[in-house]
Amino acid sequence: AQTVTQSQPEMSVQEAETVTLSCTYDTSESDYYLFWYKQPPSRQMILVIRQEAYKQQNATENRFSVNFQKAAKSFSLKISDSQLGDAAMYFCAYRSAWFGGSQGNLIFGKGTKLSVKP
Amino acid sequence: EAGVAQSPRYKIIEKRQSVAFWCNPISGHATLYWYQQILGQGPKLLIQFQNNGVVDDSQLPKDRFSAERLKGVDSTLKIQPAKLEDSAVYLCASSLDISVSSYNEQFFGPGTRLTVL
Repeated sequence: AQTVTQSQPEMSVQEAETVTLSCTYDTSESDYYLFWYKQPPSRQMILVIRQEAYKQQNATENRFSVNFQKAAKSFSLKISDSQLGDAAMYFCAYRSAWFGGSQGNLIFGKGTKLSVKP
Repeated sequence: EAGVAQSPRYKIIEKRQSVAFWCNPISGHATLYWYQQILGQGPKLLIQFQNNGVVDDSQLPKDRFSAERLKGVDSTLKIQPAKLEDSAVYLCASSLDISVSSYNEQFFGPGTRLTVL
């Protein structure tokens, strides 16, 4: 079974600075997707960025980028130029790319609470 | 485009009572998911529908939880009877047909926060 581990329950960053959130995962599959979701106090999960395992190039979305190390099964999120609106819970998630069964099921880590100081 | 709708947003009940949550997915989304998110944890899948058929309900406590998706659109999740440990946020998500493409983004609703006293 696949597992996702986020070892940082809480992180803090100064506004305009850069912060990196860590995530490791365990799987025996070779093809899968990895995601970072943001969950503000409103509870709505918002997709921040995704990475396909077969792609060596790290994904980027504006101020958000990932460092994907497939061999190490590591998937960290870097937030540059942090803004007050970035404060939220951040969840790392895994999804198999295999068709059939529970394909589509997201497996989440426990989350990291990010605070942004003005 | 309207997002995933859920109701109610909050619900407080006594243990052993029954409760039902409703979800309306994004129009045209064939796949619907119910997740349970206990405080301090990430969401955990309870059940996944493809149209009106169940794809995965392996983590659904079937002695007390039930879910249906009549006509392949709206879905209802029911708990009967509720226990204290059922206190959680229940999230509904939807995506396009997963059998068509290996990747379809899941869009989440705002969730229902259930408190069982």
